[in-house]
Amino acid sequence: QLVLTQSPSASASLGASVKLTCTLSSGHSSYAIAWHQQQPEKGPRYLMKLNSDGSHSKGDGIPDRFSGSSSGAERYLTISSLQSEDEADYYCQTWGGFGGGTKLTVL
Amino acid sequence: QVQLVESGGGLVKPGGSLRLSCAASGFTFSDYYMSWIRQAPGKGLEWVSYISSSGSTIYYADSVKGRFTISRDNAKNSLYLQMNSLRAEDTAVYYCARADYGDYDILVVWGQGTLVTVSS
Repeated sequence: QLVLTQSPSASASLGASVKLTCTLSSGHSSYAIAWHQQQPEKGPRYLMKLNSDGSHSKGDGIPDRFSGSSSGAERYLTISSLQSEDEADYYCQTWGGFGGGTKLTVL
Repeated sequence: QVQLVESGGGLVKPGGSLRLSCAASGFTFSDYYMSWIRQAPGKGLEWVSYISSSGSTIYYADSVKGRFTISRDNAKNSLYLQMNSLRAEDTAVYYCARADYGDYDILVVWGQGTLVTVSS
């Protein structure tokens, strides 16, 4: 069964960078995922599709500050030059399921 | 522009029924897989159901199998979720979402959601 694992929380300072991780369960390291952002009291917003080779395609209007990378079963979302509006829950997603989400706090 | 608008949420008693709708615009609806995802208060996202572009392939989460029915009307650019035998644990915001072109698994467009509350 495919399971996506995320750390429940992360924090970083305004203007800094942060790297969020999504780990695919054993035997699923070739899967592509999507990253979604959910700001407080809002619906989810698609950020990007991230392939196993690290190539990614972003949604319309997603700033260059958001980038993705991959290593084995790990999928990463890096946000640089953190802004206050980046404070949100971030979910990885693939066939049939979502990770538990990472709550990002911008200090 | 590409848009998904859900409707039909509300307050319903346990054991009751509700039908959610999702109106699509800005793209060729019949070309895309569509899904329903829900989020219970204070919780994460849960994939409820998906349907292929033609409607021939359907998936349900175990938590709703036998109680919920997904359907679509490509002529009306609309997606539906018929929810029967509702339980308190079905209380959630329900989102419809569209997959990427040629994909079934990567969701790239979300609606704003509609709240379903199951309570006596």
